Amino acid sequence: DTAVSQTPKYLVTQMGNDKSIKCEQNLGHDTMYWYKQDSKKFLKIMFSYNNKELIINETVPNRFSPKSPDKAHLNLHINSLELGDSAVYFCASSQDWDSKNYGYTFGSGTRLTVV
Amino acid sequence: TQLLEQSPQFLSIQEGENLTVYCNSSSVFSSLQWYRQEPGEGPVLLVTVVTGGEVKKLKRLTFQFGDARKDSSLHITAAQPGDTGLYLCAGARRDDKIIFGKGTRLHILP
Repeated sequence: DTAVSQTPKYLVTQMGNDKSIKCEQNLGHDTMYWYKQDSKKFLKIMFSYNNKELIINETVPNRFSPKSPDKAHLNLHINSLELGDSAVYFCASSQDWDSKNYGYTFGSGTRLTVV
Repeated sequence: TQLLEQSPQFLSIQEGENLTVYCNSSSVFSSLQWYRQEPGEGPVLLVTVVTGGEVKKLKRLTFQFGDARKDSSLHITAAQPGDTGLYLCAGARRDDKIIFGKGTRLHILP
């Protein structure tokens, strides 16, 4: 039973397209996150939601828009994809905002390739 | 600004050897986490250290948090090929987001 699941695992698309990545967690956690991992394996936070409320919104282009329909789901929509958006995107969750200090549970990632 | 420096960036050693990797910062953290990431997978939490000077053991892995809560080390005894992976440290500060280091890529040769 997967704790944090992301779909799709791989996504290859052309520049200018719009795409979405979905994330679901069955851990009963209140807080979910999107991270971007670049080619040098550096993990950088993009967004964080706590109980469907946006609490972190890093310096990310407006083309990226997160949506949390309920606390078990956090989706990421990307408009007008650019070559520089190619990366691995990870969804993660923690029990609550304070519990982030004790660690995250990560999904297995979505490798996005923009051609 | 990169607040967490991990060293070495790469380490390749023979099976059975011991090794230590480091995570250093000029900032104080309320906790520090270590993760291992394998190719095609997300990072998996190994341990969280909270108290300055704390030592935690996970089988052959020993984690230590610095007294000033600015740095941490991971020591592996008798390394095995299954220890191969990317080791990431992450620092948490109360009421702020978690910061990740760039990782140490460890390769254990059989």
